Amino acid sequence: KAGVTQTPRYLIKTRGQQVTLSCSPISGHRSVSWYQQTPGQGLQFLFEYFSETQRNKGNFPGRFSGRQFSNSRSEMNVSTLELGDSALYLCASSLGYRVGYGYTFGSGTRLTVV
Amino acid sequence: QKEVEQNSGPLSVPEGAIASLNCTYSDRGSQSFFWYRQYSGKSPELIMFIYSNGDKEDGRFTAQLNKASQYVSLLIRDSQPSDSATYLCAVQDISNFGNEKLTFGTGTRLTIIP
Repeated sequence: KAGVTQTPRYLIKTRGQQVTLSCSPISGHRSVSWYQQTPGQGLQFLFEYFSETQRNKGNFPGRFSGRQFSNSRSEMNVSTLELGDSALYLCASSLGYRVGYGYTFGSGTRLTVV
Repeated sequence: QKEVEQNSGPLSVPEGAIASLNCTYSDRGSQSFFWYRQYSGKSPELIMFIYSNGDKEDGRFTAQLNKASQYVSLLIRDSQPSDSATYLCAVQDISNFGNEKLTFGTGTRLTIIP
């Protein structure tokens, strides 16, 4: 069974540019969540998508956006990149049901803004 | 603001001893609790989850939950060098559909000394 696939694995961008990250969840998983991980802040929740709808959003500026497609694949976009956006971006998928469930994480995309 | 607190460590434990990792949370509505292990440069991996007060054992790992004290812990028996990693505690409130994101602590770095 394939795991959560994130592409690309590494990215180097310049301040002011925009970037799009992709996530393919485990087959059958309808929920995709995105997290930003930095050494100082730990795992910070960005947003969650379930059946193509954003159903939860963290405290990030509007430069961070996302979407989910009908096949549950998800993308997140960061516009007008800042140096502080350098981080590991993790995608996690789950079944998304109300009964407590855990997330399975992808390998992440390491974004460096220079 | 839901908060999850962990001692950042580092926590050093001799090989073969018991490692004890602790986590407290602020939201009494939290109902599901997870422990993730993250090796350096890798993504988090789910190792334990617990919903009910008391202990839950899985191999060398035991999760303990005390909802009255808002406290969850992870015990690792017979610690091995391969257990050296950062351990992340996560909590989830599943009482409100659409707001079931996992909130993570900043993690405890564990080092097993051979």
